[in-house]
Amino acid sequence: DAKTTQPNSMESNEEEPVHLPCNHSTISGTDYIHWYRQLPSQGPEYVIHGLTSNVNNRMASLAIAEDRKSSTLILHRATLRDAAVYYCMPLDTGTASKLTFGTGTRLQVTL
Amino acid sequence: DAGITQSPRHKVTETGTPVTLRCHQTENHRYMYWYRQDPGHGLRLIHYSYGVKDTDKGEVSDGYSVSRSKTEDFLLTLESATSSQTSVYFCAIRAPASTDTQYFGPGTRLTVL
Repeated sequence: DAKTTQPNSMESNEEEPVHLPCNHSTISGTDYIHWYRQLPSQGPEYVIHGLTSNVNNRMASLAIAEDRKSSTLILHRATLRDAAVYYCMPLDTGTASKLTFGTGTRLQVTL
Repeated sequence: DAGITQSPRHKVTETGTPVTLRCHQTENHRYMYWYRQDPGHGLRLIHYSYGVKDTDKGEVSDGYSVSRSKTEDFLLTLESATSSQTSVYFCAIRAPASTDTQYFGPGTRLTVL
C-alpha cells in the first residue's frame, strides 16, 4: 500500500487561502488521490479526488505534482467551518477501493 | 446525506459480552465498510463487504465478525468484547462508478468496561 506523509497540524486565519500538502511518493500509476476531511464528532466526508490533472469543485481545489508523488489541497478562503482533520490517500480501485487513512493534518482556523 | 444510519449511536458494555453494531443504507450500494477510530491511529478498516454474503477482512479484523444477509444491512459483531475494542466505529458505503467515493455514517461510540 502506498504511504502518505502529511503535517500533523496547520493554522490559518479566516478568509485566507490554505494549502495542505501531502506526499505520496510510492503511489502507483493507477491510484487516484483522494482527500477526505473529518469535522469534530462526525464521520469523514469526501472532499475531492484526482488522477493527474488539477481538479476543482465547490469545496476545494486539488493540485497534483507532475510526477504524482505529492499533491496539495487548496481551500481558497478558509472559514471556521473548515476546521477539521484532512486526510489524503491513494485509492487503488482494483482492491475493493479500500481507503487507508493516515493521521491526517489538523487544520485550525482562527478569526 | 448518503442515507447511512448506524445503531446504536452510543453503547456501554462489559468485558466478555457480545455486541452487535448495525449499519443500514438506503442507497442499495454493493460495497460497505466498517472502520474503527482511535486517538493517534486515524481510521482503520475492520471488515468490508462486496455483496450479500460476500465479506473480507481489513487490517484490524481480529476479534470481529461481520454479516451481510441483505444489501441494506451490514452487521459488525464483537463476540466477546474487550477493553481494547473501546472505540468509535464508522460504517461507510462506496458510491459506484468513477469516483469510488465513500460516504460515512455518523459513528457509534462503544465503551467496554
